Amino acid sequence: AQKITQTQPGMFVQEKEAVTLDCTYDTSDPSYGLFWYKQPSSGEMIFLIYQGSYDQQNATEGRYSLNFQKARKSANLVISASQLGDSAMYFCAMRPLSGTSYGKLTFGQGTILTVHP
Amino acid sequence: NAGVMQNPRHLVRRRGQEARLRCSPMKGHSHVYWYRQLPEEGLKFMVYLQKENIIDESGMPKERFSAEFPKEGPSILRIQQVVRGDSAAYFCASSPGGSGANVLTFGAGSRLTVL
Repeated sequence: AQKITQTQPGMFVQEKEAVTLDCTYDTSDPSYGLFWYKQPSSGEMIFLIYQGSYDQQNATEGRYSLNFQKARKSANLVISASQLGDSAMYFCAMRPLSGTSYGKLTFGQGTILTVHP
Repeated sequence: NAGVMQNPRHLVRRRGQEARLRCSPMKGHSHVYWYRQLPEEGLKFMVYLQKENIIDESGMPKERFSAEFPKEGPSILRIQQVVRGDSAAYFCASSPGGSGANVLTFGAGSRLTVL
């Protein structure tokens, strides 16, 4: 079974500052994918970034980077130069890359990020 | 290039009625997933389908819920005899393949309210 834990119910950051959203995971799968999604108040789910457990380098996508520490089972999202439009709920998720449950994406509880001007 | 299309966006049903939620995957995507989001919670997996096949339905409630993805047409999530606890946002996602590395693209969700 897979489990994702996001321990920060809410985070605040000043515009233009960087912020880190925490995510730890637990799995018995030998290989897995880690994802971050953003859910603004309008409700849609927007994909941000992906990291494979086999990837040697941390993933980056524009202002988003994933701080992947496999030994610690953590996959924190770093948002640089925060913008007001970054205010949203952020979900960490994971999925096995093989086996019978590879179709199942497991989500954490989410972190609400508020960016102050 | 249209994304994942879900309809209706909002649906109101009275207890005991049926709810049908539709999902058209992105063009070129043959894998469809349904998730449910209760208020203040993350998304919970319900079912994973390919055309005419249910691959994984381990997250589906045993009764009243069913899903299909026919050869032609959208995927349908059907909830019979709805109860208040079924009130939630139901998200559909699609991917081009079944690899775990494939990113799931989500639709905007269908919000079901049961009176």
